[in-house]
Parts: sequence; structure tokens; C-alpha cells
Amino acid sequence: QSALTQPPSASGSPGQSVTIPCTGTGRDIGAFIYVSWYQQHPGKAPKLVVYEVNKRPSGVPDRFSGSKSGNTASLTVSGLQPEDEADYYCSSFSGITNWGVFGGGTKLTVL
Amino acid sequence: EVRLVESGGGVVAPGRSLRLSCAASGFTFDDYAMHWVRQVPGKGLEWVSGANWNGGSTGYADSVRGRFTISRDNTKNFLYLEMNSLRADDTALYFCAKDSGSSGWYHFDSWGQGTLVTVSS
Repeated sequence: QSALTQPPSASGSPGQSVTIPCTGTGRDIGAFIYVSWYQQHPGKAPKLVVYEVNKRPSGVPDRFSGSKSGNTASLTVSGLQPEDEADYYCSSFSGITNWGVFGGGTKLTVL
Repeated sequence: EVRLVESGGGVVAPGRSLRLSCAASGFTFDDYAMHWVRQVPGKGLEWVSGANWNGGSTGYADSVRGRFTISRDNTKNFLYLEMNSLRADDTALYFCAKDSGSSGWYHFDSWGQGTLVTVSS
């Protein structure tokens, strides 16, 4: 059960856009739509921000968007705001296990 | 409002057992798969185990398979994690999470606040 690959850190200035990639394989991200992203602030539980590659739950700002190309999914945060500073985790269903896996997480810093 | 409240964490010696519970409310519990996810302080999320809507299909991470058992009581709206042969590297904050679907892994739309398990002599 290899974790999906994310960069450990990303950063951007307020108002800018930042994209966080998440790389998997043809047996997870590349094969299924069940890719989701979670935001976690320090000391808090994770919160779903994107599901099924590019859908947003109710209440999540449209500054958060998701996409997928081949075996790589991406989360883009546009118009960065200070409150976007958090850890972000991707996850995907796995056709190998019929369950899923998380990425290692990316710490987003708003400069 | 969906509410998930974990309990049962604590300090336990290596090799001993512990049972975590997750009390669910605010939704029809037996319509959804449920999961346990853990996080070593300062580290990333690790999926531990999941159970489909009736507990008939379960899955485990390689790191816990054979030592941990997930179960659910749909009459009481509780999810459980029985943890045996605990090791130091099982030390983590354990979250209960609700899936958006009934059969396995879709996405986790609600999370509890977690219960801390510390394995130490």
C-alpha cells in the first residue's frame, strides 16, 4: 500500500494561485474518479475540500478546485487567503486493495 | 448535524490491547461505510481500516492487518477498533471518519476529533 506522492511543501502570496500535485499509479488515481483532497489546520480534524476529482462540498469556497491528468491529480487554490495556510492531503481509491490510500501531505504556507 | 465522537484512547504497554469506540449521530449510520484513520503527531494521515455499511466487508492497512479488527454495531450506531499486540509505532491520534458511500471507499465527508493512543512502557 504505497502512499500517493505529494511535495512536502508549497507556498504563495495572498491573492496568488498555488497548485499541489499528487502522483499515483494506473491502479489508483489513473483509473478511478474517487480522488479527494482534505485540508487540516493544526490541532484540527481533516476537512474535505474536493471529492471525485473536481467536486466541492457545500460551503467550500470556489477558490478550491481539483483536476486530474493521467496518474496525477492536482489541487489548485486560487486567490490565496491567510486561512488557507494548512496541510493538504490527497487520497484515492485503489484497484489493488479495493480500499484506498492517502498522500504524504503538503504544507501550504501563505507568505 | 453529523457527529462522530471517539473514545477509548490512552496509555498502554507494548503487547497489550485497547478498544476504540466511535459514537455516531446525525445520520443514518447503517447507510454508510466507516473508517479509522490515524496520525502520528506532526506526521501525515494513514488509513488504518474500513468497514462497509453492515460490516460484512472490511479492509486493513498492511501495518495493522492481523492485529487490529474493525467492527460496527448498527443497532447502537457505534464503530469499534480492537487493537491487539500494540507496538510503539501504533502511537497516534486515531480518527473515526464517515464515508460518503455504503460499500467501501469514496471520500470521507465527516471526521471526529480523534482519540490519542500512546504505546509505551
